[in-house]
Amino acid sequence: DVKVTQSSRYLVKRTGEKVFLECVQDMDHENMFWYRQDPGLGLRLIYFSYDVKMKEKGDIPEGYSVSREKKERFSLILESASTNQTSMYLCASSLVSVRLATNEKLFFGSGTQLSVL
Amino acid sequence: DAKTTQPPSMDCAEGRAANLPCNHSTISGNEYVYWYRQIHSQGPQYIIHGLKNNETNEMASLIITEDRKSSTLILPHATLRDTAVYYCIVRAMNYGGSQGNLIFGKGTKLSVKP
Repeated sequence: DVKVTQSSRYLVKRTGEKVFLECVQDMDHENMFWYRQDPGLGLRLIYFSYDVKMKEKGDIPEGYSVSREKKERFSLILESASTNQTSMYLCASSLVSVRLATNEKLFFGSGTQLSVL
Repeated sequence: DAKTTQPPSMDCAEGRAANLPCNHSTISGNEYVYWYRQIHSQGPQYIIHGLKNNETNEMASLIITEDRKSSTLILPHATLRDTAVYYCIVRAMNYGGSQGNLIFGKGTKLSVKP
């Protein structure tokens, strides 16, 4: 089974801190994603990457950056954490296969609940 | 992407089949139907996807009508652990890779009761 591992389940940070959220997948997937989930707003895409060193902005990239130096690892960076970035952060990956139509078959991690005080 | 409509909530007795409907009347010919679920406090979990033929895997069956305007996810023997929010998503196949933004909507909250 595909495993998507997020480095922390719970994280508490102070306003203005630089925050790193790490995500590792073990199935050689090309696509990787970062979402945040908030009550009443559903899942919203922050950034995604379809290859090493490649990144694409999602719907809400402001205040975030990402890094993908290796295929298996996709990091989300909050340059200066703010209270409105308190949220559940979810990482996901998918395999690129036209034949199997798996581009949108996402495997999610367990999530990181980030609280910014 | 085609819009989907799902009932906000459903109940199902443990051990019985759970049939979750989804309407996607504006679906295009190259759009697939994906189903995910999210159990409380966990990340979403992929269940199944299909284009026009019915599909079955170890988790569920997906029945797509001939005109492809609606589909039904079937959990053949629901258990208490199947209590979750179920999302029906319609997405076109992008040959260049993921389109990135999988829109989950509000889904159907399925409650499996003993």
